[in-house]
Amino acid sequence: QVQLQESGPGLVKPSETLSLTCTVSGGSVSSGSYYWSWMRQPPGRGLEWIGYIYYSGSTNYNPSLKSRVTISVDTSKNQFPLKLSSVTAADTAVYYCAREAGVGTTNYFDYWGQGTLVTVSS
Amino acid sequence: QSALTQPASVSGPPGQSITISCSGTSSDVGGYNHVSWYQQHPGKAPKLIIYDVSNRPSGVSNRFSGSKSGNTASLTISGLQAEDEADYFCSSYTSSTTRVFGGGTKLTVL
Repeated sequence: QVQLQESGPGLVKPSETLSLTCTVSGGSVSSGSYYWSWMRQPPGRGLEWIGYIYYSGSTNYNPSLKSRVTISVDTSKNQFPLKLSSVTAADTAVYYCAREAGVGTTNYFDYWGQGTLVTVSS
Repeated sequence: QSALTQPASVSGPPGQSITISCSGTSSDVGGYNHVSWYQQHPGKAPKLIIYDVSNRPSGVSNRFSGSKSGNTASLTISGLQAEDEADYFCSSYTSSTTRVFGGGTKLTVL
């Protein structure tokens, strides 16, 4: 059974960089069959797709966040970290990592982490 | 990219059927059969319930079904049960190769 777990600080100061890590168990980030994705959900609001990374290192980001987002992959630790720079209160949200299935054929998010709340405040 | 449009809320009594719509454009919902639906209970992670417009993952009740017409996808839940009370989100692939979600619909079982 694939499991994903987010980890990182729950509080980040404005203008600083938000850093989270997603650790995968029961599966491998080196698999060519999946994209490894990040989403977020501001309190009381809908989901927003942040972007994904493929095992090769190729990435695809939400245009609205592209200038501030970096997703990387660490195959030795089976992790894919997220960095979001220059954060403001608008970046306060529950952040989810997920596996996206169907590379090259379709796409859907079949496994999700439990989510972690990140608050941006001084 | 704009979020897909869903009704903010729907409701129905136990045993009845409800349908949640997800409206997009020809650049997302209308252009691809890559629409998926997720169920989210309070404080929990989203759970995949429909993929590729109308396919159910293993283990998901056949009371959940999906369809699409033009730029609008729909999720139908038949034989409503109390446990179905949750938020529901749609998602689609886009012509920009990005992904987009709907704003979410809160289902209340009366």
